[in-house]
Amino acid sequence: NAGVTQTPKFRILKIGQSMTLQCTQDMNHNYMYWYRQDPGMGLKLIYYSVGAGITDKGEVPNGYNVSRSTTEDFPLRLELAAPSQTSVYFCASSYSGYTFGSGTRLTVV
Amino acid sequence: QKEVEQNSGPLSVPEGAIASLNCTYSDRGSQSFFWYRQYSGKSPELIMFIYSNGDKEDGRFTAQLNKASQYVSLLIRDSQPSDSATYLCAVANDMRFGAGTRLTVKP
Repeated sequence: NAGVTQTPKFRILKIGQSMTLQCTQDMNHNYMYWYRQDPGMGLKLIYYSVGAGITDKGEVPNGYNVSRSTTEDFPLRLELAAPSQTSVYFCASSYSGYTFGSGTRLTVV
Repeated sequence: QKEVEQNSGPLSVPEGAIASLNCTYSDRGSQSFFWYRQYSGKSPELIMFIYSNGDKEDGRFTAQLNKASQYVSLLIRDSQPSDSATYLCAVANDMRFGAGTRLTVKP
């Protein structure tokens, strides 16, 4: 039982590049989330999904897109990366409490 | 704007003492709450889940919820150096987290 798996763990992007952060869970949870955490700050919700085919914006969705074609996968797409997107990104799923992936540390230079 | 507020700390307590962490929330309709612990460079891990007014105990941890006053707290008894971490409060139905309180337990 792997829980929530995120890839990659680290990435450096140049301004204007795009990338997809991958997230997979094997717990059959309907609810999945993407959060970002800036240094010394709490978690800010980017997007969430309540099931396959259903996604919705969170608190800070600008510059990001998501899709949810299966229960297991919830990738996060960054288009036209900006320095303000330098952060640690956490994917999570929930049933009764969030289970977090190990995070992706992204630097945009 | 729904808010979840925590004292950012740092909070420093001696080993063996009780650490008290507090969280207030603005949405009176909030029903359930989580406490997470996050070690530096790691992902948050669930400590406690509470949805009823009053106290809920799990080992050295006690969560307290007062919906009338809109606060939830976490008490850590017999604090250990291994408890040094950032503690995050979360409101389940809002999917919102507080900024976290950094706790240091000094040997």
